[in-house]
Amino acid sequence: DQQVKQNSPSLSVQEGRISILNCDYTNSMFDYFLWYKKYPAEGPTFLISISSIKDKNEDGRFTVFLNKSAKHLSLHIVPSQPGDSAVYFCAARTNTGNQFYFGTGTSLTVIP
Amino acid sequence: NAGVMQNPRHLVRRRGQEARLRCSPMKGHSHVYWYRQLPEEGLKFMVYLQKENIIDESGMPKERFSAEFPKEGPSILRIQQVVRGDSAAYFCASAPTYRDRGEGYTFGSGTRLTVV
Repeated sequence: DQQVKQNSPSLSVQEGRISILNCDYTNSMFDYFLWYKKYPAEGPTFLISISSIKDKNEDGRFTVFLNKSAKHLSLHIVPSQPGDSAVYFCAARTNTGNQFYFGTGTSLTVIP
Repeated sequence: NAGVMQNPRHLVRRRGQEARLRCSPMKGHSHVYWYRQLPEEGLKFMVYLQKENIIDESGMPKERFSAEFPKEGPSILRIQQVVRGDSAAYFCASAPTYRDRGEGYTFGSGTRLTVV
């Protein structure tokens, strides 16, 4: 029962260009969404979040967009840098739940 | 992720043995979450604990798995009679407040369990 899906296992982007990572969800009760970044042999680290009452949140080079009607969110990184190369997970939670539901991750490679 | 300490980093167990995974939360954090990542999958919630209490164990397998977070010492995830399917990365996260929105989650570096 994969309630959060990341359909692209990998993505390669040239340095300086935009990276767009996508995430779809099925549970309409989700009201909070996050993106985590993970390097090999490390735990995930929080990157950016968005509440369901918003459709966009921006933090420096990172912007998350939420389309509730399509149950879709995306993470835009611009400009992409080699240090952004990592696995990116989207995660979601309901207002009453204790757990986050994670997608399967997208491995981003930024080519210098 | 230096704040949440998980040990061991790597653990190899033979089928039928017990595995004990330890998690020391960040200083000041009294809420601990355990997640498991199977190969080629995302992280899946297992259990949420506060000091001396299990708050939500809806993600824990019904048998062989248990968790505790005693008043003193680290949180322990215990897997009895391990099987090959238990091979995974186990991550612990801690948070300072109840139902933290997620930004306050700090993950440890994980314990990679291999069952041979």
